[in-house]
Amino acid sequence: NAGVTQTPKFRVLKTGQSMTLLCAQDMNHEYMYWYRQDPGMGLRLIHYSVGEGTTAKGEVPDGYNVSRLKKQNFLLGLESAAPSQTSVYFCASTKGQGANTGELFFGEGSRLTVL
Amino acid sequence: AQSVTQPDIHITVSEGASLELRCNYSYGATPYLFWYVQSPGQGLQLLLKYFSGDTLVQGIKGFEAEFKRSQSSFNLRKPSVHWSDAAEYFCAVAPWNTGFQKLVFGTGTRLLVSP
Repeated sequence: NAGVTQTPKFRVLKTGQSMTLLCAQDMNHEYMYWYRQDPGMGLRLIHYSVGEGTTAKGEVPDGYNVSRLKKQNFLLGLESAAPSQTSVYFCASTKGQGANTGELFFGEGSRLTVL
Repeated sequence: AQSVTQPDIHITVSEGASLELRCNYSYGATPYLFWYVQSPGQGLQLLLKYFSGDTLVQGIKGFEAEFKRSQSSFNLRKPSVHWSDAAEYFCAVAPWNTGFQKLVFGTGTRLLVSP
């Protein structure tokens, strides 16, 4: 059972480079989320999607773009990476609309270092 | 805006001893409340959740949590800790009748288990 799969698991970038993180889920979930996790700050929502073709901003969207062209995939892009974007990124998905009806399923994370 | 406080950054417990991890939230009404666990190098996994009803909720892996409205707390407990419980634990809250896009995480408590 794959669940939520993130690629790549690790990446080192130089300042100004671009990259895309891929999140794929095989549970036919409508809702998908990208978080970043920084020491002492818990998880913060970057962007999310409530269905194929939709995206919306979360708490910390600046410097990131996302796309949801297929229901099972949610891409997170960094157009011009900055050292402040060094973090661990988590993708999550859920089937239900309400937080009381669904459960968030998380990927294993992608560790990004920007030099 | 709602907020979540986990006052303990690290806790060390002897194997077999009881555990209580603290979580306090700030919100005008009873929110949805969650506890997640993150093992090293892994994504987050839901331990338990509270929406309404019985204020003592049971979760996976022998964990339970008690919602106390008067104290705005949702503390996590386990009667006897196992070495495999060593992980980071996150409390999270979402406003009533909203989706996971409104979920706010605490900063986490790292549990160390000594022999």
